[in-house]
Amino acid sequence: EIVLTQSPHTLSLSPGETATLSCRASQSLTSSFLAWYQQKPGQAPSLLIFAASTRATGIPDRFSGSGSGTGFSLTISRLEPEDFAVYYCQQYDTLPLTFGGGTKVEIK
Amino acid sequence: QLHLVQSGPEVKNPGSSVKVSCKASGNTFSDYIITWVRQAPGQGLEWMAGIVPIFDTTKYAQKFQDRVTLTADKSTATVYLDLRSLRSDDTAFYFCASGPRRWVFGSTTLPPADSWGQGTMVTVSS
Repeated sequence: EIVLTQSPHTLSLSPGETATLSCRASQSLTSSFLAWYQQKPGQAPSLLIFAASTRATGIPDRFSGSGSGTGFSLTISRLEPEDFAVYYCQQYDTLPLTFGGGTKVEIK
Repeated sequence: QLHLVQSGPEVKNPGSSVKVSCKASGNTFSDYIITWVRQAPGQGLEWMAGIVPIFDTTKYAQKFQDRVTLTADKSTATVYLDLRSLRSDDTAFYFCASGPRRWVFGSTTLPPADSWGQGTMVTVSS
């Protein structure tokens, strides 16, 4: 199965700053089938990005995804208070679907 | 997007089974694939299985292959997760989630989930 490694584990930033999250795959995602989710405490995850760089419906443009092959990133520009949460990457290039371990973006 | 509503919390004894339901509404059920993801308390996300209701085809993670069955009732747009031989480490939130079939049309994989149920807490304890 494809293992996804997210870094850093925790990111401490202030509102208005830019967050850059990394997701590295153990083998190449040939179709760039990579998604990013946001999860807040006590809630289900919500989809931010799919196909590496396509924003899901209603997601503001301060969220952007990039990358291909084995290296992907999620950038959150101009952090808003509601952006502080845990972020997971998921590959759906090959079954089984797998998730990264998550990156927590916390208020500094 | 679909709107997904799951059944309520469950407390089960080790060795027993649990059946969790996920009722969809709000869009054409046959256009979507339903997946199940679980999350142990304080832990990350783990994909378990998926079902394509229009074809009744299922995909299971190898870890759960022998203990999980997904079924879909197209007449009520409801998907069921049946998990058997429960152990204490099965204690988790179980989420159903849906993604459009068109996002992975022509491939053998399952789409990411643009809609999620509220989650069902399953506690396994004697």
